[in-house]
Amino acid sequence: DTAVSQTPKYLVTQMGNDKSIKCEQNLGHDTMYWYKQDSKKFLKIMFSYNNKELIINETVPNRFSPKSPDKAHLNLHINSLELGDSAVYFCASSEDRPVINGYEQYFGPGTRLTVT
Amino acid sequence: AQKITQTQPGMFVQEKEAVTLDCTYDTSDPSYGLFWYKQPSSGEMIFLIYQGSYDQQNATEGRYSLNFQKARKSANLVISASQLGDSAMYFCAMREGSTGGFKTIFGAGTRLFVKA
Repeated sequence: DTAVSQTPKYLVTQMGNDKSIKCEQNLGHDTMYWYKQDSKKFLKIMFSYNNKELIINETVPNRFSPKSPDKAHLNLHINSLELGDSAVYFCASSEDRPVINGYEQYFGPGTRLTVT
Repeated sequence: AQKITQTQPGMFVQEKEAVTLDCTYDTSDPSYGLFWYKQPSSGEMIFLIYQGSYDQQNATEGRYSLNFQKARKSANLVISASQLGDSAMYFCAMREGSTGGFKTIFGAGTRLFVKA
């Protein structure tokens, strides 16, 4: 039973196109995230949503627009794709508890985006 | 400034031996959580272990233990009795209470190779 799922797993597209990546979690978590992992494996947070509200937006170009229709879903839409957008995008979710209580993030399998 | 530093890009260890992966962090927030994740070549992110800033004892999970030295701001991961399946990228990460725990910062990762 998949906890955090993402579709598609692979996405190959041309520069200038618009694409979406979907994410769903069935863990009942209140918080969802998008991360970008570049070719050097560096993992950087892009967005955090808590109860469908945007909490963190890490200086991501406004070509990237997350949308959370409900607590279980957080989709990522990317307009006018550029070569530099090629990366693996991870969705994650977690409970909403004080940080000192510890609550790990559960990650989706990742979406490998290749822009040609 | 780097908040999470992993100084070992790559490490080799002989099967069945123990290995320590280094992680230092930088924060002025008294409330924070430290995490280690494993990313095998298949790409998924797997949570390993958590340490809270107020925890008095080092965290342990099976063969994983976290050597938490608060004054030195280090949170090294110790893997005992290495197995071939431990070959992977390992990421140290931190959440600060001041961000509500909604922002996780990852280190650059250490690639571990376990030799037979």
